[in-house]
Amino acid sequence: EIVLTQSPGTLSLSPGERATLSCRASHSVSSSYLAWYQQKPGQAPRLLIYGASSRATGIPDRFSGSGSGTDFTLIISRLEPEDFAVYYCQQYGSSPLTFGGGTKVEIK
Amino acid sequence: QVQLVQSGSELQKPGASVKVSCKASGYTLTNYAMNWVRQAPGQGLEWMGWINTNTGNPTYAQGFTGRFVFSLDTSVSTAYLQISSLKAEDTAVYYCARGVGVRGYLDYWGQGTLVTVSS
Repeated sequence: EIVLTQSPGTLSLSPGERATLSCRASHSVSSSYLAWYQQKPGQAPRLLIYGASSRATGIPDRFSGSGSGTDFTLIISRLEPEDFAVYYCQQYGSSPLTFGGGTKVEIK
Repeated sequence: QVQLVQSGSELQKPGASVKVSCKASGYTLTNYAMNWVRQAPGQGLEWMGWINTNTGNPTYAQGFTGRFVFSLDTSVSTAYLQISSLKAEDTAVYYCARGVGVRGYLDYWGQGTLVTVSS
């Protein structure tokens, strides 16, 4: 099983700032089969990024993903008020699918 | 537009069973896999497994064998999760999520169903 470790656990930033979220895998994620999701309180997760760097439909271009192998990054270039949420990475290159523990982006 | 609409919250006693439904609309159910994800209170996301909507064949993640059953009724475009012999630790929000490809990313999610197990 591939274990995903997200860091930091919490990121305290102000609107307009840049957020950099990390996701590290215990083994290489095949074919960069890594996705990122955003979850707000009381809501279902929403797909942001798949294939490590492809934005899902309707996702603003301030969200970008990068990485390969065992190290992946989600960057939010300029935080909007609606971006404060919890972010999860997920690998789907091997079974079982696994999620990281999440990074909470909170308002400083 | 694609929608996954789940059944409402459930309060059940330990030892009882519950069946959560997930009705798909805006696409053909059998064209995509259906996954199930659990989120315990205040915790992260945990993949429970998926069901092949063409064959009805389920695959369960470790820890979700025995008491958990995935099923389908393609005539009403609905997937189901049944949990038997409920325990307090089954208290969680359960999500269905459409999977792109076999073992793929999850592009659409249901709104979640809170199952509370309490005497």
